[in-house]
Amino acid sequence: GENVEQHPSTLSVQEGDSAVIKCTYSDSASNYFPWYKQELGKRPQLIIDIRSNVGEKKDQRIAVTLNKTAKHFSLHITETQPEDSAVYFCAATGFQKLVFGTGTRLLVSP
Amino acid sequence: EAGVTQFPSHSVIEKGQTVTLRCDPISGHDNLYWYRRVMGKEIKFLLHFVKESKQDESGMPNNRFLAERTGGTYSTLKVQPAELEDSGVYFCASSQGGGNEQFFGPGTRLTVL
Repeated sequence: GENVEQHPSTLSVQEGDSAVIKCTYSDSASNYFPWYKQELGKRPQLIIDIRSNVGEKKDQRIAVTLNKTAKHFSLHITETQPEDSAVYFCAATGFQKLVFGTGTRLLVSP
Repeated sequence: EAGVTQFPSHSVIEKGQTVTLRCDPISGHDNLYWYRRVMGKEIKFLLHFVKESKQDESGMPNNRFLAERTGGTYSTLKVQPAELEDSGVYFCASSQGGGNEQFFGPGTRLTVL
């Protein structure tokens, strides 16, 4: 079955810096890769997603890249703000159930 | 539009007791998923309903867990009898169709003492 690895587990940056979170997946049949943000005590919320027919997608300060050959996908956050502090989860799926990475705790210091 | 709701938000029970968690998906969403996050680890899939039918229950840990979705609306997840390792946050998610965004509920934090 699918296996997703996520790095780093924690990431501390200064406000205004960029943050990059990387994930790898194992199943070449996976074709949908969402990223969820979970703030403390709140529900996971989708912030961006990418499908396997696209290499890059951008939404304001957030971008995701996908390398199908290497089975890598990454989340890029530019001009980080304190409100970006949260746990970020990557996920992969080809058959509806989401397989998640272990999460990255991002801390943005003012 | 109301999002996915879950009840209760927290539950503390003793080992051997029974607990039932409830999930109300977004109206009109045929797909309903249960996931669980145990103590700082990844969010793990438990099972998937399409309407009232179990599409995939490969993630259910053992037969102490029973999920139902009678009538294809809300779903319940019963743990009987609960064990210490069942502690965690149980999330429900729903989606309109296969391959679409899954909307998560706020989760139920289950603590088994």
